[in-house]
Amino acid sequence: EVQLVESGGGLVQPGGSLRLSCAASGLTVRSNYMSWVRQAPGKGLEWVSVIYSGGSTYHADSVKGRFTISGDNSKNTLYLQMNSLRAEDTAVYYCARSPGAIGYMDVWGKGTTVTVSS
Amino acid sequence: DIQMSQSPSSLSASVGDRVTITCRASQSISTYLNWYQQKPGKPPKLLIYAASSLLSGVPSRFSGSGSGTDFTLTISSLQPEDFATYYCQQSYSTPWTFGQGTKVEIK
Repeated sequence: EVQLVESGGGLVQPGGSLRLSCAASGLTVRSNYMSWVRQAPGKGLEWVSVIYSGGSTYHADSVKGRFTISGDNSKNTLYLQMNSLRAEDTAVYYCARSPGAIGYMDVWGKGTTVTVSS
Repeated sequence: DIQMSQSPSSLSASVGDRVTITCRASQSISTYLNWYQQKPGKPPKLLIYAASSLLSGVPSRFSGSGSGTDFTLTISSLQPEDFATYYCQQSYSTPWTFGQGTKVEIK
């Protein structure tokens, strides 16, 4: 069964850091395009970051310079390192798989919640 | 960045109705347009990819059309399980972007 399981969310103070993990089973992280998408409470979906199968990474302007996406092939796990967190980063963070360059996201995790508050 | 605009933002419909949701891109995105359904507390679910390709397992009452800047998601006969929020997403260029969503509610 293809599955993505996020972890690492929690409560963090403004300016703090957090690392989210997304453990994959039934698919290989390094062979796919892997993304993070977030959803603030009561709001719509916001794409955050993607790592291509070749290793290139891209980030939304709202997180550029603060968030870093990466993958660990040995653990088949996707990460999102989040630094300098702000209240507006409060959201449910989903990881998702795109099987290729067409860019649709066909496998999603259930999400992990990040709350940035003092 | 490519902006995606959906209309309407919400709609009320009855079971059996034909429902159409529109998505417009701020520049041409060819057919790099995907549609998702999301229910409260759940992750999004892919319905349509590449503008008109139905994902395997998705009911045939869902269909997508369009290219360039204007796209449509159609539900031919609304079912009780279709009441949800629908999002379009462009994957033509990064940053990938979503529309603001269309909430389909029971009339």
